[in-house]
Amino acid sequence: KQEVTQIPAALSVPEGENLVLNCSFTDSAIYNLQWFRQDPGKGLTSLLLIQSSQREQTSGRLNASLDKSSGRSTLYIAASQPGDSATYLCAVRPLGNTGKLIFGQGTTLQVKP
Amino acid sequence: SAVISQKPSRDICQRGTSLTIQCQVDSQVTMMFWYRQQPGQSLTLIATANQGSEATYESGFVIDKFPISRPNLTFSTLTVSNMSPEDSSIYLCSVSTGVPDYTFGSGTRLTVV
Repeated sequence: KQEVTQIPAALSVPEGENLVLNCSFTDSAIYNLQWFRQDPGKGLTSLLLIQSSQREQTSGRLNASLDKSSGRSTLYIAASQPGDSATYLCAVRPLGNTGKLIFGQGTTLQVKP
Repeated sequence: SAVISQKPSRDICQRGTSLTIQCQVDSQVTMMFWYRQQPGQSLTLIATANQGSEATYESGFVIDKFPISRPNLTFSTLTVSNMSPEDSSIYLCSVSTGVPDYTFGSGTRLTVV
């Protein structure tokens, strides 16, 4: 059974710091891995998607890496801003055509001005 | 990417009653997914709703408790039946318009008293 774990559960940093969020999964038979952002009272916003054949994806100040063989992914946020404060979720899509995602429990990030 | 309108955004309900949540998508999609996010927890898939067929429920979720309708390719409803305080959660619908795109509704925050 696929399990997704995220550490840390919460993180508080001063503005301007670079930071890394971690995600691990137990079964390497995945189609892709996706990082989402969740703001209070709102739905999920997709940040980055990495296909199983890829090693990393970048969007602006965000960089996500994937090491499928070790079951790990990281989300790197450069020069953090207060607007980055949110909960960050990683999710894997298992192989097969179900289309469902399996989520980690998230990392709640607070960036202090 | 698709745009999802999910209603209601929040509700407070009496135990023993039922609530129907609606998701309207601005384009035709094959698969729609319903997730639950209990307080402090991550998202868990309830069921996959395919147009023209019965929904497929995940382990631990049953049709009598969470009946789903999918009358066409742009609309779905999830009903939370005979509610108890344990059903207090955020419920989200999601669609996949093909890799790499997953879109989520803004969620329904349900409180059962």
